[in-house]
Amino acid sequence: DTAVSQTPKYLVTQMGNDKSIKCEQNLGHDTMYWYKQDSKKFLKIMFSYNNKELIINETVPNRFSPKSPDKAHLNLHINSLELGDSAVYFCASSPWGGDSSYEQYFGPGTRLTVT
Amino acid sequence: AQSVTQLGSHVSVSEGALVLLRCNYSSSVPPYLFWYVQYPNQGLQLLLKYTSAATLVKGINGFEAEFKKSETSFHLTKPSAHMSDAAEYFCAVSDQGDSWGKLQFGAGTQVVVTP
Repeated sequence: DTAVSQTPKYLVTQMGNDKSIKCEQNLGHDTMYWYKQDSKKFLKIMFSYNNKELIINETVPNRFSPKSPDKAHLNLHINSLELGDSAVYFCASSPWGGDSSYEQYFGPGTRLTVT
Repeated sequence: AQSVTQLGSHVSVSEGALVLLRCNYSSSVPPYLFWYVQYPNQGLQLLLKYTSAATLVKGINGFEAEFKKSETSFHLTKPSAHMSDAAEYFCAVSDQGDSWGKLQFGAGTQVVVTP
């Protein structure tokens, strides 16, 4: 059983298109995250949701919009894709609150390539 | 804002030799500190964490790290490298009392293990 899954694994698209990445976790966690890893492997948090409520919203272009239909799912929609959006996007989940919130479980990543 | 610096973006060790990965944090107040590992084409996995309890922290796969306040360091070690330790290692930091799970990652250190 996959704990944190993401679809698709690879996404190749052209500039200007709109695309979505989906994430699901079956760990029963309350909190989910989106991270972006660039070509130099630098990892930066983008968003975090706790039980469908947005709790972390970093400085990210408003072309990126997360949506959490329930606490087990967190999707990322990207409008008007740009070349600089090419990266690996990771979803993660953790229990809510206290030290356990740092024990984050990561999905396998979605490699987005914008041409 | 908290930050961490990982010295050495690339480390090569012989199988059976000591693995030492360096991480320094920038804060006058000791933060929470973590080491995560990323195997090729996978998401990140928590190796170990320091949350103001014991300064010597043991993690999975034989790794350990020591928190040294005087040196603002949290270096990761393993006495004897295995081929399976080849991966990217990330040091991460968060403010104590920030229970939202917000992590700031270092730039990563790639470990290559040679026979």
